Parts: sequence; C-alpha cells; structure tokens
Amino acid sequence: LAKTTQPISMDSYEGQEVNITCSHNNIATNDYITWYQQFPSQGPRFIIQGYKTKVTNEVASLFIPADRKSSTLSLPRVSLSDTAVYYCLVGDGRGGSNYKLTFGKGTLLTVNP
Amino acid sequence: DTGVSQDPRHKITKRGQNVTFRCDPISEHNRLYWYRQTLGQGPEFLTYFQNEAQLEKSRLLSDRFSAERPKGSFSTLEIQRTEQGDSAMYLCASKAYRENTEAFFGQGTRLTVV
Repeated sequence: LAKTTQPISMDSYEGQEVNITCSHNNIATNDYITWYQQFPSQGPRFIIQGYKTKVTNEVASLFIPADRKSSTLSLPRVSLSDTAVYYCLVGDGRGGSNYKLTFGKGTLLTVNP
Repeated sequence: DTGVSQDPRHKITKRGQNVTFRCDPISEHNRLYWYRQTLGQGPEFLTYFQNEAQLEKSRLLSDRFSAERPKGSFSTLEIQRTEQGDSAMYLCASKAYRENTEAFFGQGTRLTVV
C-alpha cells in the first residue's frame, strides 16, 4: 500500500480557502486517492475521491497532477466548523479483495475566527 | 437507513474482564471493517469481512481479540482479558463492493480499561 505524507497541522481563518497537500510517491496504477474528515469523538467521514486531474463536489475540490505523486484537497471559504483532522488515503478503489483503508496521522486543521 | 450503528458508545471495564462490541453496517454493504484509534493517531486497521468471511486480520489483532460476522450482517468484536493498553476508540465501517464507493464509519465505541 502506498504511504502518504501530509502536514501534521495547519491554521487558517474563517472565509479563507485552505489547501492541504498529500504526498504519495509510491502510488500504484490502480490506486485512488480519498480524503476523510474526522471530528473529535466521531468516526471519519468521506469528503472526496479521485483518480486524476480534478474532482469537485459540494464540499471540496481535489487536484491531482499528471504524475499522481501528490494531491491537494481544497476547502473553499472555511468556517469554524471545518476544524477537524483531515486524512489522505491511497488504495485500490476498484473494490478488489485487497482493498482496505490505511490511515496516517492526518492533518489537524484549525480554523480561527 | 441511518448509517453504521455501533453499540455501546462507551464502555468502562476492569482489567481482565471480557468485552464485546457490536456493529450494524448499512444494510446493502457487504464489506465491514474494524479499526482502533488512540488519541492523536489515525485509525489503525484491525480486520475486515466480505459478507461472513473474515478476509484479513492485522497483526495488531492479538489472540485476545476475535471478530465475527455471522450471516454477513452485523459484526461483533470481542476482547478477552482486557488490558489497559486496549483503551481506545473502536470504529466500525462498512462499504459496498463496488468501484469507487466510500466507506461509512460509525460513531465508535470508546473503551476505557481501568
């Protein structure tokens, strides 16, 4: 499984755009990139998943360069409620029997007023 | 469907006692995962099931830990002879066996061994 590296923490202010970058140099051809959000005392919650280029949903955007060795989660106009830990995961998104979620330590995003 | 449900939410037990946690996945999901999470760390994979078959177990899952998923529906995680090091949040997740689908997590069971 590809290992991921992301910053331990980030600080931002309300209304700003936040970009969290994740490195995954050993990503495999079949691997997808998935981001989860976790609030204290709750289970992680899916944010977005992508394979290449750009993916956007109602919550975030995910930018993946052509070499796929990194990815950037972009949160537009963050609010205090976006303070959470964000995890970048890399794994086989095809649903094959080897698929499992491997979490790192994540990035603690703190949004300040 | 209200999502993945875990019971109990909190459990305090004395060292040496056995505990059992239950997870009810989203009904159409045939994959079920158990994770353990300690303070400041990301969730650590313990085991996963596809239907009733336990397909993978982490080395973290010592012989004191056992998980079952009878009939491919709910799952239980039992810890025998609990130790203080077992204190953690135990998370359950379920996922459909389809490409590009996300896993849904429950709220977790927080275990405190005293």
